[in-house]
Amino acid sequence: EAGVVQSPRYKIIEKKQPVAFWCNPISGHNTLYWYRQNLGQGPELLIRYENEEAVDDSQLPKDRFSAERLKGVDSTLKIQPAELGDSAVYLCASSPEVGYNEQFFGPGTRLTVL
Amino acid sequence: RKEVEQDPGPFNVPEGATVAFNCTYSNSASQSFFWYRQDCRKEPKLLMSVYSSGNEDGRFTAQLNRASQYISLLIRDSKLSDSATYLCVAYPGGGADGLTFGKGTHLIIQP
Repeated sequence: EAGVVQSPRYKIIEKKQPVAFWCNPISGHNTLYWYRQNLGQGPELLIRYENEEAVDDSQLPKDRFSAERLKGVDSTLKIQPAELGDSAVYLCASSPEVGYNEQFFGPGTRLTVL
Repeated sequence: RKEVEQDPGPFNVPEGATVAFNCTYSNSASQSFFWYRQDCRKEPKLLMSVYSSGNEDGRFTAQLNRASQYISLLIRDSKLSDSATYLCVAYPGGGADGLTFGKGTHLIIQP
């Protein structure tokens, strides 16, 4: 069974540029998470989807970050414009159903903002 | 947002020794707890869930103390391959908000 797929794996951009990350969860998983992980820190939840509905986006900086999961399958996280402090690893994870707590993580996208 | 606290370490432990570390959580509504393992530049992977009665999986034992609001992880007969960062997670459950990872504890097993 294929795991969580993320692309790109690495991205280098200049500040003020836009950037987008894509995630395809494990087939059949209804819950999808986006995290940001800074060096030496644990993952910080940005947004959680139950199917196509965003149910926890309290930590998403909505002035520059947006996310969508239109058909309840794959998802895109966008930053526009990027700032130096956005440099981090962006992780996507999925779970089979609401309340099923084990999360399966993708390999992440390492973003560097210059 | 409620906090989950871990000692970042590093814990330097000789091979074969037993090592234990704790994780404290401040949200008393937390219902589910987990330990994840993260290798350098890799994604986190579930190590084990933490049940109220405690649970054991081979050399690993996890325990929950609700009264003092902490969970623990014990590793017996440590192996070089146990070197990693161990992340604890507190989860409110029931679809509620507030899933929180700790910063992780860095463990180094020395030959």
